[in-house]
Amino acid sequence: ILNVEQSPQSLHVQEGDSTNFTCSFPSSNFYALHWYRWETAKSPEALFVMTLNGDEKKKGRISATLNTKEGYSYLYIKGSQPEDSATYLCAFKRANYQLIWGAGTKLIIKP
Amino acid sequence: NAGVTQTPKFRILKIGQSMTLQCTQDMNHNYMYWYRQDPGMGLKLIYYSVGAGITDKGEVPNGYNVSRSTTEDFPLRLELAAPSQTSVYFCASSYRSAGRSGANVLTFGAGSRLTVL
Repeated sequence: ILNVEQSPQSLHVQEGDSTNFTCSFPSSNFYALHWYRWETAKSPEALFVMTLNGDEKKKGRISATLNTKEGYSYLYIKGSQPEDSATYLCAFKRANYQLIWGAGTKLIIKP
Repeated sequence: NAGVTQTPKFRILKIGQSMTLQCTQDMNHNYMYWYRQDPGMGLKLIYYSVGAGITDKGEVPNGYNVSRSTTEDFPLRLELAAPSQTSVYFCASSYRSAGRSGANVLTFGAGSRLTVL
């Protein structure tokens, strides 16, 4: 059974602080790792697709790193803002298989 | 460009009733998916389709059926609703498979909250 684990499950961060959270996945047969942002009452939206060990991706204040050998990815948010409040989902893919999703990290930014 | 459109947004069903969740996309994506999302759990794949006329079971297909007669539409049918099917359902689409290329990410619909009483 393949599991994708995200930690922590939820996180309260003061506005202006930086934060990070983790997605752990099986290190064998890696194909791609997806990050999505899911705001309440909206649909999940893609942030990054990462495919190579050592990949780093950045979009504004949000960045992500990938370690396929040890099976983890970090998502970083610099200088958190209230609009960053959302659930962040990661999903792991092996070749020829569908995505396997983590349960998400719920981020709440306190003004 | 509407993206992925799901209807209805909310529905309450009685045990044993049937219903169809509609999903349509206007991006000419060949892959379409139905997921369910339960509290504290990751998205679970119910069914997916790689193109018109082709459908495949995902992780949790029991109690559901799908069809893909056109590229645009991928309805999900619940034949005999059960309380275990109370969930939030998401339809999504992508080019090819959600794989290596950065362009092959999923576009999601807004979700359908289904309650079976």
